[in-house]
Amino acid sequence: GAVVSQHPSWVICKSGTSVKIECRSLDFQATTMFWYRQFPKQSLMLMATSNEGSKATYEQGVEKDKFLINHASLTLSTLTVTSAHPEDSSFYICSARSLASLRGSNEQFFGPGTRLTVL
Amino acid sequence: GQNIDQPTEMTATEGAIVQINCTYQTSGFNGLFWYQQHAGEAPTFLSYNVLDGLEEKGRFSSFLSRSKGYSYLLLKELQMKDSASYLCAAMDSNYQLIWGAGTKLIIKP
Repeated sequence: GAVVSQHPSWVICKSGTSVKIECRSLDFQATTMFWYRQFPKQSLMLMATSNEGSKATYEQGVEKDKFLINHASLTLSTLTVTSAHPEDSSFYICSARSLASLRGSNEQFFGPGTRLTVL
Repeated sequence: GQNIDQPTEMTATEGAIVQINCTYQTSGFNGLFWYQQHAGEAPTFLSYNVLDGLEEKGRFSSFLSRSKGYSYLLLKELQMKDSASYLCAAMDSNYQLIWGAGTKLIIKP
């Protein structure tokens, strides 16, 4: 099956610093990547949708200047949390959908997630 | 608006059968997904239904009724490792997943 990796798996940083999370599709080309955030005991919350080569589409309430998304290639998307604060501590998960998915199961393939803790 | 409803928590006994229900309302419909998520991990794909009926895959089966906006996930021969949250997600006309809050399944010996 399709594999999506995320790096780093976990990160601890000081308040005010910026953190970059990478999401890579390892064996397929991801035309669309999604970034989710999940707080403890809550469901996934979609933050933004990014298509390769274009600007990301952010969900209502998500600050695009704080959560910078770059989908520079068909296999890589990055999420940068700028000037992180303790309330940004969460589990960040990316998923990817390939062109083939649109003709098939429409499945999103999830990365393993990145746990961010801001002190 | 778009909405997914599923029970918050369910408890079942090892070896038994459990059915997790999900109702959905979306703008357009491109299929219904079930994912399993263990604590601290990302979701893993279980099933996808886009046509009415039952899809069986080993111990897990998923059912869809488009006219009723209803799906269920059926888990048979429950094992302790099945203790997890089960997420129901419907794909709308824009191919965007609308997520339920998840059902925490507790398996008791």
